[in-house]
Amino acid sequence: DIQMTQSPSSLSASVGDTVTITCRASQGINNYLAWYQQKPGKAPKLLIYTASTLQSGVPSRFSGSGSGTDFTLTISSLQPEDVATYYCQKFDNAPYAFGQGTKLEIK
Amino acid sequence: EVQLVESGGDLVQPGGSLRLSCEASGFNFHNYAMHWVRQAPGKRLESVSSTSGDGTYTFYVNSVKGRFTISRDNSKATLYLQMGSLRVDDTGVYYCVRRFGSAYDYWGQGTLVTVSS
Repeated sequence: DIQMTQSPSSLSASVGDTVTITCRASQGINNYLAWYQQKPGKAPKLLIYTASTLQSGVPSRFSGSGSGTDFTLTISSLQPEDVATYYCQKFDNAPYAFGQGTKLEIK
Repeated sequence: EVQLVESGGDLVQPGGSLRLSCEASGFNFHNYAMHWVRQAPGKRLESVSSTSGDGTYTFYVNSVKGRFTISRDNSKATLYLQMGSLRVDDTGVYYCVRRFGSAYDYWGQGTLVTVSS
């Protein structure tokens, strides 16, 4: 099975900063990659699908890129409400594995 | 408004059984594949089972194959997960999710399954 690895596992940034989270697949998955945001005690929320398509209603400061094995989630102009854990997920073939998550905190 | 409401989570002993339900509303349930995703405490999300819109196709991750059964009743817009031979490592929050293309666009609030003696 294809494994998904995110880096870093955690990071701390200041309001207004630009933050980048990386997700790597152990084999190529074309652009079948989704990103989710999970706040404590809540269900995950879809941010981006097919690597770079922004889900309706998601602020434009969130963006995604990549194809094949390497992908990035970028949050520009970080806001306090962006504190959460972010997960990537492969969606080429089952099993639809997730990365281990990246916990984002505000300095 | 799309809503997914899970129920059925409980404390159960190892080796026991449990049936989770997910009531869907706000969309044409039969048109969508549905999945169950679980999250063990402090662990990553795991997609454990899925079913096609008409229920003819199902998938199970290896760790639950032969122990869990996914099903749906499109007349009731309800998704089920029958869980048997439960193990301690099945503990976690179980989410009902809707598949939209290459992502999960709607999630339920989750139901907690605790397997412990």
